[in-house]
Formats: sequence, C-alpha cells, structure tokens
Amino acid sequence: EIVLTQSPGIVSLSPGERATLSCRASQTVTSRYLAWYQQKPGQAPRLLIYSASARATGIPDRFSGGGSGTDFTLTITSLEPEDFAVYFCQEYGTSRTFGHGTRVEMK
Amino acid sequence: EVQLAESGGGLVEPGTSLRLSCVGSGFMFDEYAMHWVRQVPGKGPEWLAGISWNSGGIFYADSVKGRFTISRDNVKKSLYLEMSSLTPEDAALYYCAKDRGDRGWFFWYFDVWGRGTAVTVSS
Repeated sequence: EIVLTQSPGIVSLSPGERATLSCRASQTVTSRYLAWYQQKPGQAPRLLIYSASARATGIPDRFSGGGSGTDFTLTITSLEPEDFAVYFCQEYGTSRTFGHGTRVEMK
Repeated sequence: EVQLAESGGGLVEPGTSLRLSCVGSGFMFDEYAMHWVRQVPGKGPEWLAGISWNSGGIFYADSVKGRFTISRDNVKKSLYLEMSSLTPEDAALYYCAKDRGDRGWFFWYFDVWGRGTAVTVSS
C-alpha cells in the first residue's frame, strides 16, 4: 500500500499569499495518478486536481498541481478567503489511499 | 444540479449490521462507477468499495473485505453499502462518491460527493 505523507500539517498564511503544499508517496505513483481535494468544515471533499496537474471542472486557475514520481505539490498562487480549508492528496493508481491532510489557516 | 444523498447511518452496537443508502440525481447514474468512502473526523478519507456501472466490477479495501458489500440499483438510482460485524473502528462519516470516469470506467478519483451519513458503533 502506498502511504502518502503531507506537509506541513498546518500552515498559517494571509490572504493574497502563496501556499505550497507537499504530498510525498512511499512508492512511485504510477502515471502521475494523484488527485487533490479541498475540504471545508462540515462539507464533503471537493475535487481540485487530478492526474497530478489537471484542474477539475470549475476550479480557478490559482490552483495548480505539479510533481511526479514520489513528490507532488499543490500551489495556490494567491489565497482567497474561501481557500482556507484542509487539503488532501489521493493516490489512485494502486492503493486509492489519501494523505492525512494539510490545514491552511488564516494568519 | 448533480447531487448524492446518503442515509441509513446511526448508532449501532458492536457486532451488528447496518445498511447505508445513497440516491443520485442530476446525472446519468447508470453511466458511472460509484464508491463508498469514509472519514473519521480530523483524519484523511478512506476508500472502502467501488462498483462499476453495471455491477460487473466490484472492489473492496482490505480493511472491509468480507464484512462490507457494495451494490447498486440503477432503476432506483441508488447505491448501497451493507456492513456487518461492525466494530468501534468502523465509526465514521460515510460518503458515497461518483467516479470521474467516462462510460462507466473506473478512474478511481471522485468528482461528486454526498454530505455523508454518520455511523457510531458503541455498546
């Protein structure tokens, strides 16, 4: 089973700042089969990114994904107030496992 | 609007069974694979089971294989999860989720989620 480690666990930023979130896999992720989700309190996860870098329908272009192999990143170029949330990565080529999440909180 | 609505959660005693349901609307339910995913508050989600559009392909996570059964009724646009031998470790919020795949194929990531139904296992 592929284990995903997300870092940092919590990051404190201000609106307008750039957020860079990391997701490291314990084994190579096949064909960049990695997705990112956003979850706000009391809500279900929302798909942001799939295939490591493809934005899902309706996702603003301030969200971007990158990486390959075992190291992946989610970047939010300029944080909007609605972006403060928890972000999860998911490997879906082999194990369908999720990371434990990174909380982006407002400074 | 594309929506999924789960129901059937509740408080049950260890060792008992429970059946969850999920109704889909706003999309062609019978054209997509569907899944169950659970989440303990404060933790990452855990994929549990997936079923193809025609029930011809069914997959389970090792953690629930042999105890949980996924099924669907396309006429009723419904997805089900039959859970047995429940333990306190099964307590979580259970989501049904739509596979992003086209033509019923599994893509294994999820573009629509319900609001979830809570399961508590306690004596």
